[in-house]
Amino acid sequence: GESVGLHLPTLSVQEGDNSIINCAYSNSASDYFIWYKQESGKGPQFIIDIRSNMDKRQGQRVTVLLNKTVKHLSLQIAATQPGDSAVYFCAEKDNAGNNRKLIWGLGTSLAVNP
Amino acid sequence: ETGVTQSPTHLIKTRGQQVTLRCSSQSGHNTVSWYQQALGQGPQFIFQYYREEENGRGNFPPRFSGLQFPNYSSELNVNALELDDSALYLCASSSTGLYGYTFGSGTRLTVV
Repeated sequence: GESVGLHLPTLSVQEGDNSIINCAYSNSASDYFIWYKQESGKGPQFIIDIRSNMDKRQGQRVTVLLNKTVKHLSLQIAATQPGDSAVYFCAEKDNAGNNRKLIWGLGTSLAVNP
Repeated sequence: ETGVTQSPTHLIKTRGQQVTLRCSSQSGHNTVSWYQQALGQGPQFIFQYYREEENGRGNFPPRFSGLQFPNYSSELNVNALELDDSALYLCASSSTGLYGYTFGSGTRLTVV
């Protein structure tokens, strides 16, 4: 079946350290991946995306790496700050048929310790 | 440019009742998707609307239905509410030919 899953359900880091959140996906035909941040009581907030024709993309303090060979996605957050504390989801765009839905994993909770 | 707005923010309903949730899409976006997010889980795709028609549906029963209006805003209707329908309902807007999805803050539905 379809699935996008995360290796670690929780991650605790010290302020200033780098964070790495991992994600595995199952659909090798997927061509677009997104990382979202969700704070308690709020909707998902876009962080960064990557298309399947790339293997790395950088934003402000964030980097997404895509390894299509092993169907693995990671989000790296540099110099993690308390405001980065949230649940992080990777999502995969499902292009099967007419659906353009996003398939989501369970999420990783990131806790930043001051 | 406005983002995606959803109303109401919170709602409590009794089992068996019906509910309507509303979503205004981001300016320039013509497609609306609805997701259900149970506590502690990732969002699950309910359906998507484009040009006022359903354009894809997830594994949800027919008592989940929707509408899209000419201004691209949308409604999600749920009939015969069940306790398991308690969740955060998220609306996301996007545009054909583009890759981005913008989410609203959601409606927290509690069925008692």
